[in-house]
Amino acid sequence: GENVEQHPSTLSVQEGDSAVIKCTYSDSASNYFPWYKQELGKGPQLIIDIRSNVGEKKDQRIAVTLNKTAKHFSLHITETQPEDSAVYFCADQGGSEKLVFGKGTKLTVNP
Amino acid sequence: EAGVAQSPRYKIIEKRQSVAFWCNPISGHATLYWYQQILGQGPKLLIQFQNNGVVDDSQLPKDRFSAERLKGVDSTLKIQPAKLEDSAVYLCASSLARGSNEKLFFGSGTQLSVL
Repeated sequence: GENVEQHPSTLSVQEGDSAVIKCTYSDSASNYFPWYKQELGKGPQLIIDIRSNVGEKKDQRIAVTLNKTAKHFSLHITETQPEDSAVYFCADQGGSEKLVFGKGTKLTVNP
Repeated sequence: EAGVAQSPRYKIIEKRQSVAFWCNPISGHATLYWYQQILGQGPKLLIQFQNNGVVDDSQLPKDRFSAERLKGVDSTLKIQPAKLEDSAVYLCASSLARGSNEKLFFGSGTQLSVL
């Protein structure tokens, strides 16, 4: 990837609500789109990823959608819980195989 | 399975001093990465190794940063001399192989403060 735009930068939701984070990319050769969760004082941890030949992928309360035509992908978290509070990063990998990260979204789930 | 190990966890130095960080990747992982994460930003790749060879160091400030991965396992990242703008978390990551769709596993990082 060359450049990844991520928004919003902060997101606050009530426990039980859904949260959506969106990313756009510019590299037409991008073919792999992972999402990482980073808790305070820890390194990023992969939570879900999607490849360019798939439009949607779901894992329990987490889902990712990909629109290659529009060059954007989104993370959806349903039934949010306080332990979902963290910083979430999207990333994309293009022809250079280098993983380029967005600037992150700080998610706060209020009990 | 043990994760990626990094040390030290924290380091405080004065500008113009030197510092070194150590990383031990997950056993069997051929590819090792060093990322710099400035506060409020996403990780930025500094250097990528495949076994003990450098694959990509295009964003490594080579006038002050150096890294090595002797024997294709552990790696060290050095900064000499440090500048104020080097204050960041330095993350080490590893993956089983090099290439598209490889999952990266990150260590907890070393938080560097340059005063």
